[in-house]
Amino acid sequence: DIVMTQTPLSSPVTLGQPASISCRSSQSLVHSNGNTYLSWVQERPGQPPRLLIDKISNRFSGVPDRFSGSGAGTDFTLKISRVEAEDVGVYYCMQGTQFPWTFGQGTKVEIK
Amino acid sequence: EVQLLESGGSLVQPGGSLRLSCEASGFRFSSFWMGWVRHAPGKGLECVASIKLDGSDKYYVDSVRGRFTISRDNARNSLYLQMNSLRADDTAVYYCAKHGDYAYDYWGQGTLVAVSS
Repeated sequence: DIVMTQTPLSSPVTLGQPASISCRSSQSLVHSNGNTYLSWVQERPGQPPRLLIDKISNRFSGVPDRFSGSGAGTDFTLKISRVEAEDVGVYYCMQGTQFPWTFGQGTKVEIK
Repeated sequence: EVQLLESGGSLVQPGGSLRLSCEASGFRFSSFWMGWVRHAPGKGLECVASIKLDGSDKYYVDSVRGRFTISRDNARNSLYLQMNSLRADDTAVYYCAKHGDYAYDYWGQGTLVAVSS
């Protein structure tokens, strides 16, 4: 199985400041079709998970543009340009290139 | 609007069985892979099982293979997870999730399964 490793595991951030989360996979996430299936999921307190970004950098419907994704191969990053109170929660990267799909351990974003 | 509504979660004894259901609406159910994802207390998200459009292909995480069975009824727009030989470490909130472009694009609200004597 592909192992996904996130850093940091906790990220205290001041409101209005940026936040960045890294995700590394144990092997390349480039699929045989040439696409790279790395997504980011947000889990806010008391709510079900929600897709933020798929295929490295495509924001899902309704996701604010302060969220952006980047990376290639085995190294990926989620950035929040200016953290808002509603962004508090746990963020997971997930690979969909190979079954079983696997998640990172999660990064908790909280306000300082 | 895509909606996924899980049901069937409850308290069950170790070794027991449970069947989870997920009723889908707002999209053509038969045209998408579907899956179950769980979130155990104090742990991260884990993909449990996935099933192809027509049910002809299924994938399971190693920890549930042989104990859990994923199935679907396209006529009823429903997804199921039959869970047998339940263990304490199966305790989790179980989410029904729709496959998008090699990612889960929509999630249900979740149903709690608690395995304890």
